[in-house]
Amino acid sequence: DIQMTQSPSSLSASVGDRVSITCQASQDISKDLNWYQQKPGKAPRLLIYAASNLEEGVPSRFSGSGSGTDFTFTISSLQPEDIATYYCQQYDYFFTFGGGTKVEIK
Amino acid sequence: QVQLVESGGGLVKPGGSLRLSCAASGFTFSDYYMTWFRQAPGKGLEWVSYISGSGDTIYYADSVKGRFTISRDNGKNSLYLQMNSLRGEDTAVYYCARGPLRFLKFWGQGTLVTVSS
Repeated sequence: DIQMTQSPSSLSASVGDRVSITCQASQDISKDLNWYQQKPGKAPRLLIYAASNLEEGVPSRFSGSGSGTDFTFTISSLQPEDIATYYCQQYDYFFTFGGGTKVEIK
Repeated sequence: QVQLVESGGGLVKPGGSLRLSCAASGFTFSDYYMTWFRQAPGKGLEWVSYISGSGDTIYYADSVKGRFTISRDNGKNSLYLQMNSLRGEDTAVYYCARGPLRFLKFWGQGTLVTVSS
């Protein structure tokens, strides 16, 4: 099975800050990685697919990069509506999610 | 527009059974893989199972293999998850999601399954 290690598990930042989350796969998954946003009581929302592609309708302050085993998700300027938990997900071999990163406003 | 609506969740005793449904609309149901995910209270997301559009390709997570059965009725635009021998660790919100598998953009709102005596 492919394990996904996501860090940090939580972070607190100010509005306008640049925020980054990392995800490490236990083996090479090429670019078979998505990033999701989940707000309390809601289903996950796809933000980034295939490591670096912005899903339609998602603000451009969200971005993703990486390939192989190391991936990064970035919010270039944190907004109050970005308060949520973010998950990476590999789809190279079935599906595995990272443990999630809870983003809060300082 | 694509809509997925789960139903069938509830309270069940350990060892019991439950059948979840996911009603799909807004797309040609038989053209798409469908998946089930779950999320235990306060925890992260876990893949449960997926099924191809025709129903001839099916996979399960090890945690549910032998206890859960995924199926679909393309005539009724519906996806199902039969859950048997339920355990406390199966307590979760269950979500259905539409393929393609590399691009799970459409999810239902979820249905809560609670396994408790």
